[in-house]
Amino acid sequence: EDKVVQSPLSLVVHEGDTVTLNCSYEVTNFRSLLWYKQEKKAPTFLFMLTSSGIEKKSGRLSSILDKKELFSILNITATQTGDSAIYLCAVPHGSSNTGKLIFGQGTTLQVKP
Amino acid sequence: DAGVIQSPRHEVTEMGQEVTLRCKPISGHDYLFWYRQTMMRGLELLIYFNNNVPIDDSGMPEDRFSAKMPNASFSTLKIQPSEPRDSAVYFCASSFMTGKGANVLTFGAGSRLTVL
Repeated sequence: EDKVVQSPLSLVVHEGDTVTLNCSYEVTNFRSLLWYKQEKKAPTFLFMLTSSGIEKKSGRLSSILDKKELFSILNITATQTGDSAIYLCAVPHGSSNTGKLIFGQGTTLQVKP
Repeated sequence: DAGVIQSPRHEVTEMGQEVTLRCKPISGHDYLFWYRQTMMRGLELLIYFNNNVPIDDSGMPEDRFSAKMPNASFSTLKIQPSEPRDSAVYFCASSFMTGKGANVLTFGAGSRLTVL
């Protein structure tokens, strides 16, 4: 059965800290891994990773994929209170490449001033 | 574009009542998804459409749930009769196919359903 497991489930840090969020997966016919950020409302897309070892970067956020060990990490440097959110990891289910995503439980990040 | 538009944003109803949730996807997106989010189960796909045609409804919990997409700009998710365990946030999302698939979803703001 395809599955996605995230850790930790929750994390509390102070502004300026660096955090690393983890996502491991088991899926047949792996195609890609996606990270989303969910604040109070809808999840919003952050990154899509398809190749091992190639870092995707956007500002203070970066992510990398390891297809051999079946995991991805999301790093946030110099955290700000606006980074407080649930971070979701997802992979397309089975042979699907059409948005049928399996989501992890999410990591709830709280950044304190 | 205004993004994916869902209504209502909040719905409180009593057990046994019919609930209809509505969604307008982003113009030009040919995939539409209904996801449900609960504390216990997280985000789960209920059903998705491609070019208005239902492709996979294996996530629909039971016959009380139905979804339609009569045209490219409108979809509904109906629950009849509703039960307290249906309480959740229901998200509509849309996407379009690229060389890397159709997995970059744009989500609506969600409809929070409470069934008493």
